[in-house]
Amino acid sequence: ELKVEQNPLFLSMQEGKNYTIYCNYSTTSDRLYWYRQDPGKSLESLFVLLSNGAVKQEGRLMASLDTKARLSTLHITAAVHDLSATYFCAVVMMDSNYQLIWGAGTKLIIKP
Amino acid sequence: DVKVTQSSRYLVKRTGEKVFLECVQDMDHENMFWYRQDPGLGLRLIYFSYDVKMKEKGDIPEGYSVSREKKERFSLILESASTNQTSMYLCASSLRGPYGYTFGSGTRLTVV
Repeated sequence: ELKVEQNPLFLSMQEGKNYTIYCNYSTTSDRLYWYRQDPGKSLESLFVLLSNGAVKQEGRLMASLDTKARLSTLHITAAVHDLSATYFCAVVMMDSNYQLIWGAGTKLIIKP
Repeated sequence: DVKVTQSSRYLVKRTGEKVFLECVQDMDHENMFWYRQDPGLGLRLIYFSYDVKMKEKGDIPEGYSVSREKKERFSLILESASTNQTSMYLCASSLRGPYGYTFGSGTRLTVV
């Protein structure tokens, strides 16, 4: 059974600082998604990481995937208040209709 | 852009009522999903469907049923609503295969 663990689950940080959210998963997969959810809103896709060593960047967010370590990271550079949201990683379960298995989410609060 | 439309943004129902939550997608996606989201519990899969008239139980199907008579529409039914079904309900759809999900805007259901 594929399990996905995110940490930390809650992160409060100051604007201008850097931080990383981690997503570990328990069985083989080579495709991983990151989503963002604003308070009271639905989930929006941020990145899809398709292979080992994949790196995607948009603005102050950069995601990477290490399939050998079964680890993805979402790095925030020089955080700004607008990045406050909950971030979810989701791993594709390759042997079961490609269902997405979700992490618990990381609630990120960025203080001015 | 793929659009997933949930019929109601907010809904208040009485205990014991039969409740229908509707979800429609406009991009010919094969797969459709219903999740509920509660604080601290992440996304929990209720039911999913890989094709018309097909349905599969997710992690928490008790107290729910679903209907998929047409490819674009996936309905979640609460047979007899209870207060512990007060939650945010999210519908999602995807293409068949290892693809990400597109989410609707969510229905916040309160059962009183």
